[in-house]
Amino acid sequence: EPEVTQTPSHQVTQMGQEVILRCVPISNHLYFYWYRQILGQKVEFLVSFYNNEISEKSEIFDDQFSVERPDGSNFTLKIRSTKLEDSAMYFCASSEGLWGRNTEAFFGQGTRLTVV
Amino acid sequence: AQTVTQSQPEMSVQEAETVTLSCTYDTSESDYYLFWYKQPPSRQMILVIRQEAYKQQNATENRFSVNFQKAAKSFSLKISDSQLGDAAMYFCAYRSAGRKGGATNKLIFGTGTLLAVQP
Repeated sequence: EPEVTQTPSHQVTQMGQEVILRCVPISNHLYFYWYRQILGQKVEFLVSFYNNEISEKSEIFDDQFSVERPDGSNFTLKIRSTKLEDSAMYFCASSEGLWGRNTEAFFGQGTRLTVV
Repeated sequence: AQTVTQSQPEMSVQEAETVTLSCTYDTSESDYYLFWYKQPPSRQMILVIRQEAYKQQNATENRFSVNFQKAAKSFSLKISDSQLGDAAMYFCAYRSAGRKGGATNKLIFGTGTLLAVQP
């Protein structure tokens, strides 16, 4: 069964460093997302991406964040200068379309980011 | 703005028994989707069941069923014949159908209910 793959599973980084989280969405999916879950809290939407551009972003997704689909298969989230409060589990998701049955979002297993 | 509320931070059920997890939501939209996601200790988000708001019939997936009350904006999840593998955090989520211009496909999650299954 196709699945969304995220690497690495755990990333430890020093405050102020740049970090790139990687995702390989399901191959025929067109819509890609990043969500964040701070430990013990709810899952929060960060950004959605379609047709090589951001289609929606939340207030969390400030100038420190960027997304890219560099090569047609990977989908990356970059945090330019990490802060302690960026420590969280980051989930990538993808969906085939917007309407009907193919709206289902499939999630990756997450990358746990720890900023020290 | 849409909100999703799960008022039960923790629930417990005996193996083979039935448990119901509650979820309420607030929206002014008439067309939307509702989901229950399961997050086991591995932390991966797994879709359990989905409901389209325009469908009156409650969705069912094997041991999992929902009670969707659109007027009351309530969307509860019933797990029958609970198994040890059902132990997880369960999140209720809302998504706009967005058919009238400007589709937004983000999921809005509740705070989750941690379900323990006692042997």
